[in-house]
Amino acid sequence: EPEVTQTPSHQVTQMGQEVILRCVPISNHLYFYWYRQILGQKVEFLVSFYNNEISEKSEIFDDQFSVERPDGSNFTLKIRSTKLEDSAMYFCASSLTGTSGTDTQYFGPGTRLTVL
Amino acid sequence: QKEVEQDPGPLSVPEGAIVSLNCTYSNSAFQYFMWYRQYSRKGPELLMYTYSSGNKEDGRFTAQVDKSSKYISLFIRDSQPSDSATYLCAMRGRAGGTSYGKLTFGQGTILTVHP
Repeated sequence: EPEVTQTPSHQVTQMGQEVILRCVPISNHLYFYWYRQILGQKVEFLVSFYNNEISEKSEIFDDQFSVERPDGSNFTLKIRSTKLEDSAMYFCASSLTGTSGTDTQYFGPGTRLTVL
Repeated sequence: QKEVEQDPGPLSVPEGAIVSLNCTYSNSAFQYFMWYRQYSRKGPELLMYTYSSGNKEDGRFTAQVDKSSKYISLFIRDSQPSDSATYLCAMRGRAGGTSYGKLTFGQGTILTVHP
C-alpha cells in the first residue's frame, strides 16, 4: 500500500540553525500538508500546498518557515532559524485532490525535531 | 472556547468493553468529521470519516455525528488490546470554503485496553 515517508525520523539541532525536513508524498497525490504536534499538545495545521503554491497557512507558519517541492517526488519544510519552541513532531500529509469532501489526508510517520 | 475539545483521558478498559470517545466543537463551518488513530511514534491513521449527522458503522467501529449539538462520537465494540492507541477527532470545512483542506484536531484520547 502506498504511504507517505519522512526523513529523518529524528533531527537534533542547535537553536538558530536551519533545518530541512523531507517528505515523499504518495505518488499520484496533488495536495500536500505539514502539521506539527508539540509534546502533549494537539496536532496543529501549518500549511497546505498545491500546484507549487501555498494554498493556506496558519499563524504559526511565519517567515521562518518555507515549503518547497524541489522535484517531482519530494516536499520539504524549511525552518530558517530554529527556536526552542520549534521542538515538536512534524507530520507531512498528502491527499489525492483536496477538492472532494471525501478526500483523505494520509500522514507520514513524522520527524521529531529537537532544538537545543 | 476552543474550536475542538476532546477529553484526553487516559481511558483504561478491559478487553471486550464498549468504548465511547467524544468531541465537541464550536465552529459551525465544520462539515466533515474524522477519527484518526495514532500509535506511539507513528503518524495519524484514518479510521472513520463522516459527513452528515447520523451514524456510520465499519466493523467494530461506529462514528456518530450530531451537528445540532456540535458533538461527535466514536464507539468501539468488543475492544481489543490492539485498539490501545491515541484517538484523535479531526474536522474541516466545506469544499470551496476558505479553510477546506486544513484539518482541526482534538487533543486526542489515550486508550488502553487491558487483557
